[in-house]
Amino acid sequence: KAGVTQTPRYLIKTRGQQVTLSCSPISGHRSVSWYQQTPGQGLQFLFEYFSETQRNKGNFPGRFSGRQFSNSRSEMNVSTLELGDSALYLCASSEQGGVNSPLHFGNGTRLTVT
Amino acid sequence: EDKVVQSPLSLVVHEGDTVTLNCSYEVTNFRSLLWYKQEKKAPTFLFMLTSSGIEKKSGRLSSILDKKELFSILNITATQTGDSAIYLCAVVQTGGGADGLTFGKGTHLIIQP
Repeated sequence: KAGVTQTPRYLIKTRGQQVTLSCSPISGHRSVSWYQQTPGQGLQFLFEYFSETQRNKGNFPGRFSGRQFSNSRSEMNVSTLELGDSALYLCASSEQGGVNSPLHFGNGTRLTVT
Repeated sequence: EDKVVQSPLSLVVHEGDTVTLNCSYEVTNFRSLLWYKQEKKAPTFLFMLTSSGIEKKSGRLSSILDKKELFSILNITATQTGDSAIYLCAVVQTGGGADGLTFGKGTHLIIQP
């Protein structure tokens, strides 16, 4: 099976812009989670989607949003970018979500906000 | 506030040494604890631990969970340079927790030849 695929690999944006990141889960996985990773904060949970519904949400402002399509592919959007949004954004998929089955991560999208 | 604390934050050893990485947690509705290895980009799954005292083993890596003292350790014996990575510990909660997995900040392990 192909692994979790994230696109693009790298992004450079300026403050105030918006960005959309994409994630294709492993075939058959219905849960997709998004994480933000920074050196200072580590991995922080953004949200989880399961069967096109947001099931869990972390403590991030409303500028961070996402959605999941019927084929389980997911997108994450960040509006009005701030310098502090620079990070590695990781997507992970699993059969049911991290509760019963381990997450499989993609290689991430490295976002730099200037 | 739920938290997962890993120690040490960084560790430098020589090839062949044995290392022990620690993960302690304070969370409500604990369900399981997971270990991941992150080399360049994608964290890769190592172990899922749900029961106390049962060692999980994969080659030179092993891990055990203590639910009474609220911690887990990850052991790596006969370390190799390819073991150099960030090792992440994550705790899974049940009960409809809205936070998904809670990750520690990781232990950056460097194996010197």
